[in-house]
Amino acid sequence: DTAVSQTPKYLVTQMGNDKSIKCEQNLGHDTMYWYKQDSKKFLKIMFSYNNKELIINETVPNRFSPKSPDKAHLNLHINSLELGDSAVYFCASSLPGQGIEAFFGQGTRLTVV
Amino acid sequence: DAKTTQPPSMDCAEGRAANLPCNHSTISGNEYVYWYRQIHSQGPQYIIHGLKNNETNEMASLIITEDRKSSTLILPHATLRDTAVYYCIVLNSGGSNYKLTFGKGTLLTVNP
Repeated sequence: DTAVSQTPKYLVTQMGNDKSIKCEQNLGHDTMYWYKQDSKKFLKIMFSYNNKELIINETVPNRFSPKSPDKAHLNLHINSLELGDSAVYFCASSLPGQGIEAFFGQGTRLTVV
Repeated sequence: DAKTTQPPSMDCAEGRAANLPCNHSTISGNEYVYWYRQIHSQGPQYIIHGLKNNETNEMASLIITEDRKSSTLILPHATLRDTAVYYCIVLNSGGSNYKLTFGKGTLLTVNP
């Protein structure tokens, strides 16, 4: 059983399009995250949600809108895609208040052409 | 804004111990040292964490100096599958602001 699963694994799309990446975790965690890994391999946090409530928003453009329909899901919707959005996006989850171990998904490689 | 310094790369022979150093000279009293790794094309994977005492689990050992300004991750018997980028992260544990700040890490290459 995959703990944190993301779909799709690969996404190729044209500039200006709107796309979504889905994330689900079956670990019973209350907190979920989105991280972005750019071409230089730096991993940076974008958002975190605790029990469907936004906790961290790291100055991400408004074109990025996370949505958490329930605490097991955190989807990432991106409007008006730009070339610079090309990256690998990782979803993660953890228990709140402990910060012991975060589980990451396998990533979604987004390519904007 | 990583608070840690790691060598960019290291090599290790298969079957030997891999010792990965990390400097965190500005660490404060309530901040933990965490280690994650990222195998090529996969998501980061938690390895171990510690506050003051040395720690050991099924994957690795973590040695933290007495002044807590540096630490070493030890993989006792490295295998080819341990080739990955290893990240040392200083984190104020607790609360829902669990924000891992990844630096450049150390690319460990295990050679046959």
